[in-house]
Amino acid sequence: SQTIHQWPATLVQPVGSPLSLECTVEGTSNPNLYWYRQAAGRGLQLLFYSVGIGQISSEVPQNLSASRPQDRQFILSSKKLLLSDSGFYLCAWSVNREKLFFGSGTQLSVL
Amino acid sequence: SQQGEEDPQALSIQEGENATMNCSYKTSINNLQWYRQNSGRGLVHLILIRSNEREKHSGRLRVTLDTSKKSSSLLITASRAADTASYFCATDAVGGGADGLTFGKGTHLIIQP
Repeated sequence: SQTIHQWPATLVQPVGSPLSLECTVEGTSNPNLYWYRQAAGRGLQLLFYSVGIGQISSEVPQNLSASRPQDRQFILSSKKLLLSDSGFYLCAWSVNREKLFFGSGTQLSVL
Repeated sequence: SQQGEEDPQALSIQEGENATMNCSYKTSINNLQWYRQNSGRGLVHLILIRSNEREKHSGRLRVTLDTSKKSSSLLITASRAADTASYFCATDAVGGGADGLTFGKGTHLIIQP
């Protein structure tokens, strides 16, 4: 069966520090991969999506970047975190857009 | 920008009552989906309704879709305390490409025991 792993669950980072969040998917090949951010009490904002290795599309200009070094690995990074980068980050995968499978999320606090 | 907008933002009812949440959207869609999120967790897919469908059932869930009004509703019957969560609608827009779904801001549902 398919599973998605996202870590860490919580992260507290100082302003200006780097960031690396990792997401891996098991049990499926060539999935579409997504990074969403959710501000407190708000909906989900799509940050990046990828349809294949090395293929990254960005939805909003920001301080973050994403990479897909392997078929089932998706990484969210930043060289220097800002206060506004705080939020709940969710990785997701799908085969088509009829169902997204989400990871358990990472709560990032930038102080 | 947000495609789906849920209404109400928050809903508190007694256990056993029915809970109804609404979603409005702006553009033509292929399908509309409802997801559930427990506090501090990822979202879980509940149900999908296609643009050519008007109503769909899954267990205690009933979803309706009115494409002329660009709206959908999610009904949870005989609510339980475990139904307490946030519920999001998400739309798959026509011509949206591979860039995923567009989510609303959610309805926070509280079931009072």
